[in-house]
Amino acid sequence: GQQVMQIPQYQHVQEGEDFTTYCNSSTTLSNIQWYKQRPGGHPVFLIQLVKSGEVKKQKRLTFQFGEAKKNSSLHITATQTTDVGTYFCAGYGGSQGNLIFGKGTKLSVKP
Amino acid sequence: NAGVMQNPRHLVRRRGQEARLRCSPMKGHSHVYWYRQLPEEGLKFMVYLQKENIIDESGMPKERFSAEFPKEGPSILRIQQVVRGDSAAYFCASSQSPGQTYEQYFGPGTRLTVT
Repeated sequence: GQQVMQIPQYQHVQEGEDFTTYCNSSTTLSNIQWYKQRPGGHPVFLIQLVKSGEVKKQKRLTFQFGEAKKNSSLHITATQTTDVGTYFCAGYGGSQGNLIFGKGTKLSVKP
Repeated sequence: NAGVMQNPRHLVRRRGQEARLRCSPMKGHSHVYWYRQLPEEGLKFMVYLQKENIIDESGMPKERFSAEFPKEGPSILRIQQVVRGDSAAYFCASSQSPGQTYEQYFGPGTRLTVT
């Protein structure tokens, strides 16, 4: 079955440093979504990428979708303590509505 | 504008008991999804429902687990004869159309503990 893999599993950074998480799918995706889950909270939708090579920005966050639509990345510039949480990518799993989530990258930020 | 509601937020059951988890989707949403999350793990898809229909249950364990989304009322995830391995956070999400196209809005989750 389709798999979505994320690396790294954990990332510890000093406040102000940059952070990147990578997402790879075993199959071509029709789109990819990114979610953030704060400690003890629930996943919150961040963005969706649809087009090959698409790049979207939300303030300090930059999202990319690979040309082959099999990988994606999330880059955070100058991390802040409010960025702490787990970032998940999710790709369409082949049956209607069945999103396949990666295991997430847990980000901790040291002030 | 209420978001996705789940109750209870915390549920403790002894082994062998039944657990019933409820989810009310956002207003106007007719697509509901259930996920299970173990500590330090990702979200594992369980089932996708529309009103009165199960669309995809490929992630549901074959035994003891069932889900429904009746015409009236919340969606229910039912776990019969719970075992310790069922302890997890169960999240419900809803979308206005199939999740492939639209983002999913998650509820606060139900933390199930089996003692």
